[in-house]
Amino acid sequence: EVQLVESGGGLVQPGGSLRLSCVASGFTFSSYSVTWVRQAPGKGLEWVSYISSRGDTINYAESVKGRFTSSRDNARNSLYLQMSSLRDEDTAVYYCVRDGATWIRGVPLRYFQHWGQGTLVTVSS
Amino acid sequence: DIQLTQSPSSLSASVGDRVTITCRASQSISTFLNWYQQKPGKGPKFLIYAASSLESGVPSRFSGSGSGTDFTLTISSLQPEDFATYYCQQGFSFPYAFGQGTKLEIK
Repeated sequence: EVQLVESGGGLVQPGGSLRLSCVASGFTFSSYSVTWVRQAPGKGLEWVSYISSRGDTINYAESVKGRFTSSRDNARNSLYLQMSSLRDEDTAVYYCVRDGATWIRGVPLRYFQHWGQGTLVTVSS
Repeated sequence: DIQLTQSPSSLSASVGDRVTITCRASQSISTFLNWYQQKPGKGPKFLIYAASSLESGVPSRFSGSGSGTDFTLTISSLQPEDFATYYCQQGFSFPYAFGQGTKLEIK
């Protein structure tokens, strides 16, 4: 069974830093790209970051670019999100997601196939 | 960046009803469109990929269609467990984006 377990959330002051972790099991972690998605309280889903299976391609939402850094350790089946210069608007549940993919005329379509339970980050003074 | 607009934002329906949710992209995305279901307090569940392909284990009362800029998610006969919020998501190009969500409530 695919499992993704996030940790590291909590209360942090504006301008502070936090590191989220996600441990994966039930599949060959090194074969899959992974994604962070967040959801502010009472709001919709927001894509945050994508990291390829080998970690050599990383993309970020404009709202977090330059402040968040996504990384992975395939030997430890783990994904990380280093968050700095945190703002009130970063308050959200952060989900770790294992991607799936299919091909449409030679181009990959990625989808968010398996989701963790989420970890809450609260940015407040 | 590609934006997705869902309509309606909320919808009231009864068990057994046929329901359709629309997702419109700000530019053509071929069939690079996925759908998710989220229940209160839970993480989202993946339903449909490539606009119309059902994820394994998803009931056949769910279906998707569309191409280009206009897409639909249809539930043919609503069941009690289907009352939730539904999101579309484009996988055509970064930054990936979600629609704002459609909340499906019991009438």
